[in-house]
Amino acid sequence: ETGVTQTPRHLVMGMTNKKSLKCEQHLGHNAMYWYKQSAKKPLELMFVYNFKEQTENNSVPSRFSPECPNSSHLFLHLHTLQPEDSALYLCASSQDPGGGTDTQYFGPGTRLTVL
Amino acid sequence: AQSVTQLGSHVSVSEGALVLLRCNYSSSVPPYLFWYVQYPNQGLQLLLKYTSAATLVKGINGFEAEFKKSETSFHLTKPSAHMSDAAEYFCAVRVDTGRRALTFGSGTRLQVQP
Repeated sequence: ETGVTQTPRHLVMGMTNKKSLKCEQHLGHNAMYWYKQSAKKPLELMFVYNFKEQTENNSVPSRFSPECPNSSHLFLHLHTLQPEDSALYLCASSQDPGGGTDTQYFGPGTRLTVL
Repeated sequence: AQSVTQLGSHVSVSEGALVLLRCNYSSSVPPYLFWYVQYPNQGLQLLLKYTSAATLVKGINGFEAEFKKSETSFHLTKPSAHMSDAAEYFCAVRVDTGRRALTFGSGTRLQVQP
């Protein structure tokens, strides 16, 4: 595997379900990110982790719970979601989130549908 | 706070025609600017980035962008569109102070007509 991988690619869940999204980066980066991409809205940054520590939470509802066990893996745990949470969830990684020229590399995303 | 505006949510060009996708930024300090492309059912891929080394930046797939401070613009161009260029394009900005996360524009969907 190369780059940033995400599993599953598609997920359908009910509002009472609990599920997790997984992201893995094979680039040796130190930082990882979760973004939400909804139709007709700009990409929304959700969380940032740097060296496994959360450095940014962009006022995300508590029904989204991130976990970063090491610099290569990032999870997003989902519970009691709402239909408006249906979106494409993108994971990204970068070498140095404090550097202005730092480049983020994105995974293919998980298409989430909440029924 | 920095922000990005992409003019035109949809742009349609003929194959072989010039591609021009517009991006204007707002920032009180010198910005770093990025263009990403998203093909259907894929994540975002970096096309090019402006880091203050040169105002004309060349990227992948024949795309380039010019940083114009006086116009606060960073428009993306390609001399001759190819069918494979059909995708969604995102402009993004970051600054060195305060919140350092990327701020994305709302995107422009490019259609290429045969």
